Amino acid sequence: AQSVSQHNHHVILSEAASLELGCNYSYGGTVNLFWYVQYPGQHLQLLLKYFSGDPLVKGIKGFEAEFIKSKFSFNLRKPSVQWSDTAEYFCAGNTNAGKSTFGDGTTLTVKP
Amino acid sequence: DTAVSQTPKYLVTQMGNDKSIKCEQNLGHDTMYWYKQDSKKFLKIMFSYNNKELIINETVPNRFSPKSPDKAHLNLHINSLELGDSAVYFCASSQGGLSEQYFGPGTRLTVT
Repeated sequence: AQSVSQHNHHVILSEAASLELGCNYSYGGTVNLFWYVQYPGQHLQLLLKYFSGDPLVKGIKGFEAEFIKSKFSFNLRKPSVQWSDTAEYFCAGNTNAGKSTFGDGTTLTVKP
Repeated sequence: DTAVSQTPKYLVTQMGNDKSIKCEQNLGHDTMYWYKQDSKKFLKIMFSYNNKELIINETVPNRFSPKSPDKAHLNLHINSLELGDSAVYFCASSQGGLSEQYFGPGTRLTVT
């Protein structure tokens, strides 16, 4: 079965701390992977995506993610978080069958 | 020039009523989706349409019916509303099933 799991449900950090949010996927075929961010009261926006090629992808606002095929992982990282990064983060995968699956989300709270 | 728009933004109604939520995208995408986000922020796909044909229909009650008059619109009709239908409903679109999705602002449905 296709699935996306996120390890951390709620992460609390202080400003300038480093961030890593875990994401594991389970798909049988071709999969494209994404991280979306949802700021409080807003809709989801794309942070970054991986289709193929360089497994280290860079997104907006200083975020990056690394696709590790052997570990079925696509973890999100940021070296130094800001208070404005407080949001809900979703990992997602799309398959060529048109199936889209989202993880349960991780709530990130950054303390000023 | 909003890419994905939804109306209404808020919807308060009583149990047993029938309501519709409209979604329009001006991105020229061929695939549109409906998601339900509950109070715990879990995001669940409900439907997706590709070129006016339903390609995914998750295990949602048949009280929910998507209607797509053309590939720029995907409306969600809900019959006999129940308390458990209270949630935020997001519309999204993408070019093909593998690409990133663009989300609308959401419709907060409250059933009393």
